[in-house]
Amino acid sequence: YELTQPPSASVSPGQTASITCSGDKLGDKYVCWYQQKPGQSPVLVIYQDRKRPSGIPERFSGSNSGNTATLTISGTQAMDEADYYCQAWDSSTVVFGGGTKLTVL
Amino acid sequence: EVQLVESGGDLVQAGGSLRLSCEASGFTFNNYWMHWVRQAPGMGLVWVSHINSDGTSTSYADSVKGRFTISRDNARNTLYLQMNSLRAEDTAVYYCAREDVDWSAAMMTTFYNGMDVWGQGTTVTVSS
Repeated sequence: YELTQPPSASVSPGQTASITCSGDKLGDKYVCWYQQKPGQSPVLVIYQDRKRPSGIPERFSGSNSGNTATLTISGTQAMDEADYYCQAWDSSTVVFGGGTKLTVL
Repeated sequence: EVQLVESGGDLVQAGGSLRLSCEASGFTFNNYWMHWVRQAPGMGLVWVSHINSDGTSTSYADSVKGRFTISRDNARNTLYLQMNSLRAEDTAVYYCAREDVDWSAAMMTTFYNGMDVWGQGTTVTVSS
């Protein structure tokens, strides 16, 4: 099973960033999203498609339908510049997307 | 403080073996599924293996199946990854991570809640 993400995305500060993750019938699975900044461990920002762990800002949201899951960051801040990875379970194994480098410029 | 601390990473020759450890603290270890995830230099996250809360169920990525073994000691709050027949392509930072997984008998559904705590990683370098 494969999850496909665009390698890069860019957004201006204060605008909305959207990062997609595609997979066969992905809408039938739960998707998580992770943020990773250089030299740091990943951080869970969305789980079960749209739920935010405690401490994650409300500007992070998620959706999942059909073959595509989307991470949306509203009012993007400079601190949101990072790599973002989607992840799902498939047949008792875990799959990560290839990651999207988000640039805030 | 909830924490995962990996250790055991080293420089090893191709064909060699290594055992990684991940010590958990600040939470009830035997309530959580655990994962190993690796990241080669400059590359993305790649899932390696998982083990359920009591150690009775495991799974592996195809790339490590038959070479790596995941295990846990709930009495010691420690997760392990035994790595044999190492290859140059196994070179990576190895992270352990926990995941809260719920089974609903009423809905006959497993609810995965994401890897919400990660260690700082331990570096494995395999020289060819």
